[in-house]
Amino acid sequence: GAGVSQTPSNKVTEKGKYVELRCDPISGHTALYWYRQSLGQGPEFLIYFQGTGAADDSGLPNDRFFAVRPEGSVSTLKIQRTERGDSAVYLCASSDRAYGGDTQYFGPGTRLTVL
Amino acid sequence: AQSVTQLDSQVPVFEEAPVELRCNYSSSVSVYLFWYVQYPNQGLQLLLKYLSGSTLVESINGFEAEFNKSQTSFHLRKPSVHISDTAEYFCAVSDSSGSARQLTFGSGTQLTVLP
Repeated sequence: GAGVSQTPSNKVTEKGKYVELRCDPISGHTALYWYRQSLGQGPEFLIYFQGTGAADDSGLPNDRFFAVRPEGSVSTLKIQRTERGDSAVYLCASSDRAYGGDTQYFGPGTRLTVL
Repeated sequence: AQSVTQLDSQVPVFEEAPVELRCNYSSSVSVYLFWYVQYPNQGLQLLLKYLSGSTLVESINGFEAEFNKSQTSFHLRKPSVHISDTAEYFCAVSDSSGSARQLTFGSGTQLTVLP
C-alpha cells in the first residue's frame, strides 16, 4: 500500500516568507508526527496528533511554527516569518495507534532552505 | 527527559567483517528502544525494536541488538556485513510508562561497507 507522502520534496524560500509543508499519512493511521532533522543530526520531535487534535506540541521551537490536521488525515506544518535557522529536512511519520512502542512510518521529508 | 548517545558518527568496515554500532541512552522512565535505518536517498525505516521480553531482538536482514538495562545500552551488531548495508543508522527511544509518544533519536552513525 501507499506509504507516507510529503509535498513538496524541496522548498526554497526567502527569509521572512511564510511556508506550508504537507503530509499525507498512511490511510487509517490515527497518529501523526512531525520531526525536524538538521544536517548531521538525528530527527527532533516537533508535534504529534492523535486524530484531529494536537496531543503534544512541546517540540515546536516557537510560535512561528504551527500545525493542523483538520480532518484527522492530512496535516500541514506552517512556518511564519521564516529564518535561516529553519533550514532543515522536515519529516512526517504516522502510526496506527499512539503508544510509545508502535512503529512509526516515515515519509521522505521536505527539504526546506531559507535564503 | 530522555537522551540518546551514538558515540561513533562514522564506522567504515570491510565487506563480510562484523560490525557493532553503539547506542547508550539516558532516561528517568522506562523506555522502548528502536533502531531505524536510512539508506541513500530513502526515508527512515524501522530496522528492529525492543518492547519487552527477550532482551535480544533480531531483524530480517541479519542485524541484532541487545537491551542491557544496567548499562543503559542497545548496541546493534551484525556478524558479516554486505555492501548493501551501507546506510545511516539511528538509535531511538520512547517513553513506555507515560503519555509521551514521540521518539528521541541519537545523532546517527554512518556505516560504510567497503569492498
